Amino acid sequence: SQQGEEDPQALSIQEGENATMNCSYKTSINNLQWYRQNSGRGLVHLILIRSNEREKHSGRLRVTLDTSKKSSSLLITASRAADTASYFCATDRFGSARQLTFGSGTQLTVLP
Amino acid sequence: EAGVAQSPRYKIIEKRQSVAFWCNPISGHATLYWYQQILGQGPKLLIQFQNNGVVDDSQLPKDRFSAERLKGVDSTLKIQPAKLEDSAVYLCASSLGPPNPLGAKNIQYFGAGTRLSVL
Repeated sequence: SQQGEEDPQALSIQEGENATMNCSYKTSINNLQWYRQNSGRGLVHLILIRSNEREKHSGRLRVTLDTSKKSSSLLITASRAADTASYFCATDRFGSARQLTFGSGTQLTVLP
Repeated sequence: EAGVAQSPRYKIIEKRQSVAFWCNPISGHATLYWYQQILGQGPKLLIQFQNNGVVDDSQLPKDRFSAERLKGVDSTLKIQPAKLEDSAVYLCASSLGPPNPLGAKNIQYFGAGTRLSVL
């Protein structure tokens, strides 16, 4: 079953703009991860945020986590055409055997 | 560091035929995963190995799918016989392990996948 659900399903922006994607989940988690998938490729890990963290930064990426609302957001600042990809949140559920449950993803298109 | 290797990259078969996929994880990674990704969806876990033992295969359709990781390194996933609905990308991933609730050892590294088309 897909625990994480991303919103929006698709997002199209101009280069230089910021892109925000949201993820909601249902059960308690150990951590939440974001992955990127370029067309025809495997997934690449972007960032991990632990359940006791509220915000994390990595380069142009900013992730927030609100465990009370069971939601997370991924912000990509100053987007580039190379950021065009699908973005997935993945939850590492409490009690799971280190399995990740992926959402359905947000397709981001950055127009030059 | 070499990444996760998968082969073949593409496979086209007819329904009721058999197919096998191969995965070589990153050296030293104890945990190996096989995912099925249907177009437009996120990856769905099929089976998880810790070394050469199965941790979870609850979502593996065992009547037609099988997987093994005999020496705790590379792995094969087989479908026999294939159905039309098996058309998907099959992704292999590995992580360092052993599991750590708050640590980075559960970051997964993915191969490029095998795109299967069942006609």
